[in-house]
Amino acid sequence: DQQVKQNSPSLSVQEGRISILNCDYTNSMFDYFLWYKKYPAEGPTFLISISSIKDKNEDGRFTVFLNKSAKHLSLHIVPSQPGDSAVYFCAASARGFGNEKLTFGTGTRLTIIP
Amino acid sequence: SQTIHQWPATLVQPVGSPLSLECTVEGTSNPNLYWYRQAAGRGLQLLFYSVGIGQISSEVPQNLSASRPQDRQFILSSKKLLLSDSGFYLCACAEGVGTYEQYFGPGTRLTVT
Repeated sequence: DQQVKQNSPSLSVQEGRISILNCDYTNSMFDYFLWYKKYPAEGPTFLISISSIKDKNEDGRFTVFLNKSAKHLSLHIVPSQPGDSAVYFCAASARGFGNEKLTFGTGTRLTIIP
Repeated sequence: SQTIHQWPATLVQPVGSPLSLECTVEGTSNPNLYWYRQAAGRGLQLLFYSVGIGQISSEVPQNLSASRPQDRQFILSSKKLLLSDSGFYLCACAEGVGTYEQYFGPGTRLTVT
């Protein structure tokens, strides 16, 4: 049972435009969400997170939006740069249950076209 | 900030051979530690996590095991590797109770032949 889903395995965006990566979840107990970026043969790098008490969080070029009623979150990258080409994973956690575990999606490969 | 070391970086092992992957963490005390596997074209699958020395929780039944002999050392082992154990193994840490951002090591690419 895939509790965190990234339905788009790949996405191509022109340099300078907006990249929008999507993520859906099914577990209503999830209340903290994170995005990671991963280059080939490297470990994922933490990008940005959001708590369920918020619907938006910004950090520079990265903004995460959370729609709790739809159980959907998205990561916006503006403007997109060639170095943003990587696989992006969303992850979710149900806080307050005594263990700090993350459930990851399957990832979306973002390619920025120069 | 914490630094996570993993070795070896790559490993090729025959089916039926044993496995030992090591992860050590610097820059933090009493972290939560995690082992993940990423199979080809797949997401990150949590294998084990530990909230303290000797405390291991297994997420997926399989022929792998984990141990935490010291606060900042996490070891992934197998007595007999299967072909299906091939993948990219990642160690991660988080600061501890109430912290959800996990930081990952560089990973070990394991190929079982």
